[in-house]
Amino acid sequence: DAGVIQSPRHEVTEMGQEVTLRCKPISGHNSLFWYRQTMMRGLELLIYFNNNVPIDDSGMPEDRFSAKMPNASFSTLKIQPSEPRDSAVYFCASSLNSGANVLTFGAGSRLTVL
Amino acid sequence: EDQVTQSPEALRLQEGESSSLNCSYTVSGLRGLFWYRQDPGKGPEFLFTLYSAGEEKEKERLKATLTKKESFLHITAPKPEDSATYLCAVESGNTPLVFGKGTRLSVIA
Repeated sequence: DAGVIQSPRHEVTEMGQEVTLRCKPISGHNSLFWYRQTMMRGLELLIYFNNNVPIDDSGMPEDRFSAKMPNASFSTLKIQPSEPRDSAVYFCASSLNSGANVLTFGAGSRLTVL
Repeated sequence: EDQVTQSPEALRLQEGESSSLNCSYTVSGLRGLFWYRQDPGKGPEFLFTLYSAGEEKEKERLKATLTKKESFLHITAPKPEDSATYLCAVESGNTPLVFGKGTRLSVIA
């Protein structure tokens, strides 16, 4: 298996632009997680899905952020409009289920908003 | 609210100089404590899961231990390739992993 695949690896955009980050989880994994990593706050959970259904989005910073999982093999995280404080590395991870199981992380998408 | 505190923030060791990283946690109903390793520009990579106080797990030069309040990651005779950020995370109830901010380890030859 190729692991969790994220794209793009790097994104530089200007304030106010829409940003879409993409994730392909490991085949057979039924839980998917979006985390954000910054030096100041470390890894923070944004949202997670079980069987394509959003379970908890309380970590999403504000309405500018949205996430979807239209099928078991694809998820997106969208920021519209983007702001400089959104600059961070965004990680997608998947697991077999959401209970005490190992998360496998993608390589991350580094977002810079100018 | 689950909380995880890791110390020190950064640690610099000479090759062969053994040491320990600390992870203190506050959770209601621990389901598992996880250690991950993260190399620059990459996602965290799983090392260990510990489920109950007194449990220990080993992998090469690393050994993880767990008490009711904290976990230690012991590094014996480290090598430069052990340089990385080590992340601790806890899972409780039905909530996903909550991570600490990590310890940046540098091992100098």
